[in-house]
Amino acid sequence: GQQVMQIPQYQHVQEGEDFTTYCNSSTTLSNIQWYKQRPGGHPVFLIQLVKSGEVKKQKRLTFQFGEAKKNSSLHITATQTTDVGTYFCAGRGSNYKLTFGKGTLLTVNP
Amino acid sequence: SAVISQKPSRDICQRGTSLTIQCQVDSQVTMMFWYRQQPGQSLTLIATANQGSEATYESGFVIDKFPISRPNLTFSTLTVSNMSPEDSSIYLCSVLVGYSGNTIYFGEGSWLTVV
Repeated sequence: GQQVMQIPQYQHVQEGEDFTTYCNSSTTLSNIQWYKQRPGGHPVFLIQLVKSGEVKKQKRLTFQFGEAKKNSSLHITATQTTDVGTYFCAGRGSNYKLTFGKGTLLTVNP
Repeated sequence: SAVISQKPSRDICQRGTSLTIQCQVDSQVTMMFWYRQQPGQSLTLIATANQGSEATYESGFVIDKFPISRPNLTFSTLTVSNMSPEDSSIYLCSVLVGYSGNTIYFGEGSWLTVV
């Protein structure tokens, strides 16, 4: 079945440093979605990428979808303490089901 | 988007008992799902809740353990039956907004601890 690998599992940065998490799917995806889960909270939808090579930005966050629609990345510029949480990618294949990566836990040292 | 309400938000349950979690959406949605998130883990799809018919379960999940109802387009329940400590998890209701929207939104989750 479809598998989505996400790395790194953990990332600790100093406030102001950049952060990137990567996702790689075993199969071609129809789209990929990114979620953020704060400690003690539930996953909150951030963005969806659909097109090959698509790049979207939300303030300091940049999301990319690979040309082959099998990989994606989330990059945060100049991290802040409010960025703390676990970032999950979730890929959709040919049906409506999402397969989640294991997530990257980001901690930020002020 | 959709506003998703889950009850209970938290509970501590005795081993061997069952608990039903309710999920209410503020608008009609095409699809509803139930996920489980074990401590420190990612999200795993339990089943798709089908309106007016039996839920579609993923590998490793069975109806006897996780009976699901969906009587209409805005409401679903998940029961965790005969609980054991291994069932301690967050259970999340989620909905697909629109056939073309393709976006899945999550409720705030029900945090269950089995003792």
